[in-house]
Amino acid sequence: NAGVTQTPKFQVLKTGQSMTLQCAQDMNHEYMSWYRQDPGMGLRLIHYSVGAGITDQGEVPNGYNVSRSTTEDFPLRLLSAAPSQTSVYFCASSYSYKIDQPQHFGDGTRLSIL
Amino acid sequence: GDSVTQMEGPVTLSEEAFLTINCTYTATGYPSLFWYVQYPGEGLQLLLKATKADDKGSNKGFEATYRKETTSFHLEKGSVQVSDSAVYFCALSDRGAGGTSYGKLTFGQGTILTVHP
Repeated sequence: NAGVTQTPKFQVLKTGQSMTLQCAQDMNHEYMSWYRQDPGMGLRLIHYSVGAGITDQGEVPNGYNVSRSTTEDFPLRLLSAAPSQTSVYFCASSYSYKIDQPQHFGDGTRLSIL
Repeated sequence: GDSVTQMEGPVTLSEEAFLTINCTYTATGYPSLFWYVQYPGEGLQLLLKATKADDKGSNKGFEATYRKETTSFHLEKGSVQVSDSAVYFCALSDRGAGGTSYGKLTFGQGTILTVHP
């Protein structure tokens, strides 16, 4: 069982470039989300999805887009990369959105914007 | 809004020492509480959880008790090992004013633990 798989693991972009961070889970989880991790700030929620076709904004959504066409996949798109988006990005999934459900995290994508 | 505050780090201990990492929270509803651990180069893994007052979560020798009266969820381990060196995150998931939280986790800033032989 692969769990939550993120690709790529590392990426360097130039300011203004666009890219898509991939996330896939094989646990048939309904709920998926994206977080960014910055030093001294813990993890902050970017976007989330409670099921295929349904997405919503989290705490820090500006500059990012998401879509959820299948249960398994939840890609994160950077529209025009900025140095402030340099961070480590984590995708997570859980069986449902209920508050007692633990999240399963991928290994992260380390993104640098020059 | 919801928030989680962890003790300042990093924490450096010798093997077999007692560990406490403090965590306090504020929440608008009745949250579930979690501790996650992040080993170098990896994603976060659930360490333990508690979903109601006075519940004790435990795993791999770590324990934390949900204290509603003090809004705390301190992590403890009686004897740490070198393999426990990692970053520890306290987090909560709250029902929120609308009755659902949509799975959102609010994290503390993380505490780096280093254990020396």
